[in-house]
Amino acid sequence: GQQLNQSPQSMFIQEGEDVSMNCTSSSIFNTWLWYKQDPGEGPVLLIALYKAGELTSNGRLTAQFGITRKDSFLNISASIPSDVGIYFCAGQLTSNTGKLIFGQGTTLQVKP
Amino acid sequence: DAGVIQSPRHEVTEMGQEVTLRCKPISGHDYLFWYRQTMMRGLELLIYFNNNVPIDDSGMPEDRFSAKMPNASFSTLKIQPSEPRDSAVYFCASSFGRYSAKNIQYFGAGTRLSVL
Repeated sequence: GQQLNQSPQSMFIQEGEDVSMNCTSSSIFNTWLWYKQDPGEGPVLLIALYKAGELTSNGRLTAQFGITRKDSFLNISASIPSDVGIYFCAGQLTSNTGKLIFGQGTTLQVKP
Repeated sequence: DAGVIQSPRHEVTEMGQEVTLRCKPISGHDYLFWYRQTMMRGLELLIYFNNNVPIDDSGMPEDRFSAKMPNASFSTLKIQPSEPRDSAVYFCASSFGRYSAKNIQYFGAGTRLSVL
């Protein structure tokens, strides 16, 4: 079945450092979404990408939709303690069945 | 809008008991999804509905699991009988418009299920 390979699986960084995570697939996607899950809560949308090559920012977050439509990355600049959580990428296949394919998640811990 | 509402937030039950999880999607959304999240398997799609009709239930682990959507504003996920390995966080999510190309899913806060 379709898979998204998300890396790294976990990160432990110092406050103020920049963070980068990415998702890759062998399938072509027409939408990429990045979600964040805080402890004890459901995933919340951070950034949505709809066009190949698109680069979108949301505050300290920047995400890009890969040119090949098979990958995406998320960068967080100047990390702060509240960035702690699990970050998920999700993609919608070109077949557009209505469902999303989710990555395995990247767990981020920030040391003050 | 209040967002996707799930109840209960926490459920503790004994093995063999019936468990019913509830979800109210965002008003106007035509897709509803049930996910299960565990440390070992991550976020798994169990089943999803479009306009109250089940579209894909291939993720439902076994016959002990069933889901219904009797109307556009309510869905249930039932486990009968429950087993300890069903312990997980269950999420409901909803979205609007297959052809809108947006397809953003909005998640509820989840139900944490513990089967003893």
